Amino acid sequence: NAGVTQTPKFRILKIGQSMTLQCTQDMNHNYMYWYRQDPGMGLKLIYYSVGAGITDKGEVPNGYNVSRSTTEDFPLRLELAAPSQTSVYFCASSYGGVSEKLFFGSGTQLSVL
Amino acid sequence: AQSVTQPDIHITVSEGASLELRCNYSYGATPYLFWYVQSPGQGLQLLLKYFSGDTLVQGIKGFEAEFKRSQSSFNLRKPSVHWSDAAEYFCAVGVGEEYGNKLVFGAGTILRVKS
Repeated sequence: NAGVTQTPKFRILKIGQSMTLQCTQDMNHNYMYWYRQDPGMGLKLIYYSVGAGITDKGEVPNGYNVSRSTTEDFPLRLELAAPSQTSVYFCASSYGGVSEKLFFGSGTQLSVL
Repeated sequence: AQSVTQPDIHITVSEGASLELRCNYSYGATPYLFWYVQSPGQGLQLLLKYFSGDTLVQGIKGFEAEFKRSQSSFNLRKPSVHWSDAAEYFCAVGVGEEYGNKLVFGAGTILRVKS
């Protein structure tokens, strides 16, 4: 079982460039999440989705966009990349909401220079 | 403000020694409580969770955690640490609709194991 798959694993962007972080899961989970992890800060929720066609903002959504056209895929779009978006990004999925176990991808390390 | 606090940023223990990692939360109702572990370069993996019932819960890899309502704490323990336990550990709290129906993570504790 693949679980949650994220691509790419590493990326360097120049300021002002755009990119899409891909996330796909094969567990038929309804809930999907994007987190960013900064040293000493834990994980902060960027966006989440409770099902295809439904997305909502988390704690730190500015500078990001998401879409959820299928149950499997939940891409994260960075428009006009800024140095403050240098971080490690994790996609996660779960069967239900806050009471359920999260399954995480292996992360994308992004540097904006 | 509501929060999840892991007071220890780094902890170093000797292999074979016991371990306790602390977690406190400030949400009013008893939330859903989790401990996750992250090995270098990897995503997070669930160690254990508490919803209700017996306040001592067992997890994978020989870990356990105890919920103490009076102290709003959910500390993680292991009787004998192995070198492979070196990782970063995150406490997480799932809170209901009154707090935005979300999972809030602590800042993490990095565990180093010395031989």
